[in-house]
Amino acid sequence: NAGVTQTPKFQVLKTGQSMTLQCAQDMNHNSMYWYRQDPGMGLRLIYYSASEGTTDKGEVPNGYNVSRLNKREFSLRLESAAPSQTSVYFCASSEVGFLTGANVLTFGAGSRLTVL
Amino acid sequence: DAKTTQPNSMESNEEEPVHLPCNHSTISGTDYIHWYRQLPSQGPEYVIHGLTSNVNNRMASLAIAEDRKSSTLILHRATLRDAAVYYCIQYSGGGADGLTFGKGTHLIIQP
Repeated sequence: NAGVTQTPKFQVLKTGQSMTLQCAQDMNHNSMYWYRQDPGMGLRLIYYSASEGTTDKGEVPNGYNVSRLNKREFSLRLESAAPSQTSVYFCASSEVGFLTGANVLTFGAGSRLTVL
Repeated sequence: DAKTTQPNSMESNEEEPVHLPCNHSTISGTDYIHWYRQLPSQGPEYVIHGLTSNVNNRMASLAIAEDRKSSTLILHRATLRDAAVYYCIQYSGGGADGLTFGKGTHLIIQP
């Protein structure tokens, strides 16, 4: 019962370095999401993928790229990291219930990224 | 998803009921109310959701006002493990474009 798995859990980068956060879900969900959470703030949506083969920008997409590799995996890439991208990143997946009105997101444990 | 309004923090005693309020005055007829909570150092987890009528599950109850402009999440008997940030989210049903999380209510449980 892994649910949503994120790697790495912790990462320290220098300004200008690149890295990719990996996310995989084993619930056969169609939709996947990347959020960031800064201290004392709620979560902000970076990118989402409503279904395999599609990706769309969320509230704060600048400085990030994503790839929906297959139905299970959704990665987030920082091409040139900046200190403003220091945050905790959460991946989530869901299956929207068109009849129930539910959008039950299952979140990973988070990846804590520090950019120096 | 439109904005909801919640108190920044609330405090309650262990083993007592907790009522967490939420205002959503701009809600439309097809918008659902979802509640999530985030325990310390964890990702958010789903609690409950509803449209018009009151809803119950093993975690909590959701009471929605008749005019749907407000709702209350009820924890019937709080434990220390219920200490978390609780998010009330207005969701336009059917969309897969994610949920908008505000700052939520930080619930403190006193032993």
